[in-house]
Amino acid sequence: DGGITQSPKYLFRKEGQNVTLSCEQNLNHDAMYWYRQDPGQGLRLIYYSQIVNDFQKGDIAEGYSVSREKKESFPLTVTSAQKNPTAFYLCASRARQGARGANVLTFGAGSRLTVL
Amino acid sequence: AQSVTQLDSHVSVSEGTPVLLRCNYSSSYSPSLFWYVQHPNKGLQLLLKYTSAATLVKGINGFEAEFKKSETSFHLTKPSAHMSDAAEYFCVVSDTGRRALTFGSGTRLQVQP
Repeated sequence: DGGITQSPKYLFRKEGQNVTLSCEQNLNHDAMYWYRQDPGQGLRLIYYSQIVNDFQKGDIAEGYSVSREKKESFPLTVTSAQKNPTAFYLCASRARQGARGANVLTFGAGSRLTVL
Repeated sequence: AQSVTQLDSHVSVSEGTPVLLRCNYSSSYSPSLFWYVQHPNKGLQLLLKYTSAATLVKGINGFEAEFKKSETSFHLTKPSAHMSDAAEYFCVVSDTGRRALTFGSGTRLQVQP
């Protein structure tokens, strides 16, 4: 079955450490997204990528970095510069514009990061 | 810029009674609108979408939503709540400039036995 796999599901980090969250999709989608979810705030866009080797900052990109070297993969690094990294992180993907279902996001199951 | 406002952060209903989750949107042109559902510690699942076809949209699990342009609303309804409907629901508007979605702050639905 096609889908999005995020790992790890739970991650603990000490202050000052960088961590990388994995996101892999086998849906052949062109666009991929990272969202951060905090209680009572909905989802906020961190970074997105519409094509391999290209990505753009979302609304809350500070303290995060991404890469898009392969179509299937869009890892997110939470750096030590992120002041409040404890949150639930969701990866999503979407088909290329004009394709069937192109305006619908498919989500992974999420990764919960806790800073100790 | 586009935005959505979910008017209730929490809604509590009894099993078997109707559900109404309210959403208002702001958009400078015809938007695409969605409702997603999230169960605890899970990803989001699409319930239904509006993309300028019929204004009454039917989704999964008996949910439906009506697009009302004059009221800039896209409220989610279900005639009879089930215990399994307890979850968080997000109203979402498309942002075609970035091909990303803008999420409301969510409504937590509780279903009492």
